[in-house]
Amino acid sequence: DVKVTQSSRYLVKRTGEKVFLECVQDMDHENMFWYRQDPGLGLRLIYFSYDVKMKEKGDIPEGYSVSREKKERFSLILESASTNQTSMYLCASRGGAQSYGYTFGSGTRLTVV
Amino acid sequence: GDSVTQMEGPVTLSEEAFLTINCTYTATGYPSLFWYVQYPGEGLQLLLKATKADDKGSNKGFEATYRKETTSFHLEKGSVQVSDSAVYFCALRQDNFNKFYFGSGTKLNVKP
Repeated sequence: DVKVTQSSRYLVKRTGEKVFLECVQDMDHENMFWYRQDPGLGLRLIYFSYDVKMKEKGDIPEGYSVSREKKERFSLILESASTNQTSMYLCASRGGAQSYGYTFGSGTRLTVV
Repeated sequence: GDSVTQMEGPVTLSEEAFLTINCTYTATGYPSLFWYVQYPGEGLQLLLKATKADDKGSNKGFEATYRKETTSFHLEKGSVQVSDSAVYFCALRQDNFNKFYFGSGTKLNVKP
């Protein structure tokens, strides 16, 4: 089975800190995604990447950046964390065009104080 | 643009009750449709999918039929168990695009 691993389950950071959320997948998937999940809003796409060093903005990219230096790793960066970025962050990966579903990581619950 | 609307929760049922979670979508063309489930403290898992009109996806006793005429993909289960308590997400994906559109999620609580 494909495994998507997010490095932290829970994080607490201070306002203004630079925050790195790491995601690693082990099945050579081309496509990787970062979502945030908030009550009543469901999942909203922040950024995605379809290849190494390639990235595309999702629906809510403001305040975030990403890095994909290796195929298996996709990092989400909060340049200067703010309290409105307190959320559950979910990473997902997907194979090529014939692969229909996402595989999700377990999520990182980030609290910015 | 494309979007998914699903019924608000929480839905509370007794064990062995019949479950329906409504999902409707707005999309051009012929998207693929999905149900994902999120158990407490975990990420989302694919529950079932349907890739064309009139297809029925099924898994673990859950079913959903892709109804193009009503733009719906309602999730059903004949007899729920306490272990089905989770949040359920309906989603769509256009086959020529890389991104999914998710509904806001419906929390299901099943009581013994």
